[in-house]
Amino acid sequence: DTGVSQDPRHKITKRGQNVTFRCDPISEHNRLYWYRQTLGQGPEFLTYFQNEAQLEKSRLLSDRFSAERPKGSFSTLEIQRTEQGDSAMYLCASRPPGTSSSYEQYFGPGTRLTVT
Amino acid sequence: AQKITQTQPGMFVQEKEAVTLDCTYDTSDPSYGLFWYKQPSSGEMIFLIYQGSYDQQNATEGRYSLNFQKARKSANLVISASQLGDSAMYFCAMREGETSYDKVIFGPGTSLSVIP
Repeated sequence: DTGVSQDPRHKITKRGQNVTFRCDPISEHNRLYWYRQTLGQGPEFLTYFQNEAQLEKSRLLSDRFSAERPKGSFSTLEIQRTEQGDSAMYLCASRPPGTSSSYEQYFGPGTRLTVT
Repeated sequence: AQKITQTQPGMFVQEKEAVTLDCTYDTSDPSYGLFWYKQPSSGEMIFLIYQGSYDQQNATEGRYSLNFQKARKSANLVISASQLGDSAMYFCAMREGETSYDKVIFGPGTSLSVIP
């Protein structure tokens, strides 16, 4: 039983470049979340997918950010024209369909982005 | 306004002793849930325990218990018999309402160090 995987684990990019991250949720998990975590803070919600539909986006998700989940399986998060303030850990999480008494989200290891 | 407050930025505990990590929350929704997650230095968020607002009893999971005081809006995590491997960041988090989104709001975290 594999967990949530994210690729790459680390990314260093120059300001102004575009970057794309990938998240593979646990199979059968139809709900997928993206979070951003800056140093010394808790994760902040970015966006939510149920199957292939993007149902909620945070105001944190500026127009430079776009997320997709084309076939309801893996998801990508793209940041265009990166800025130094985008440096953070980007976390992906997934949940199975239906109700769960614990509402647990299963997190991946994250992608650490450094913008120089 | 902060929805989740964790007033202890850092805590120390002697190995084998019990420790309480504080969390207070703010919501006007009658249906909500509180989580605790652990984040070791490796970065992955590990689910520890969940308490629903309608749950009559405090949640327990092995060495972890959640001291839920609804009227005071507090959801403190108690770790019994601390182990060296418990050294990590601990995040209190909350979900509100009964939607499929289950957006989770995290607090700023408490760093726990277990001393041998």
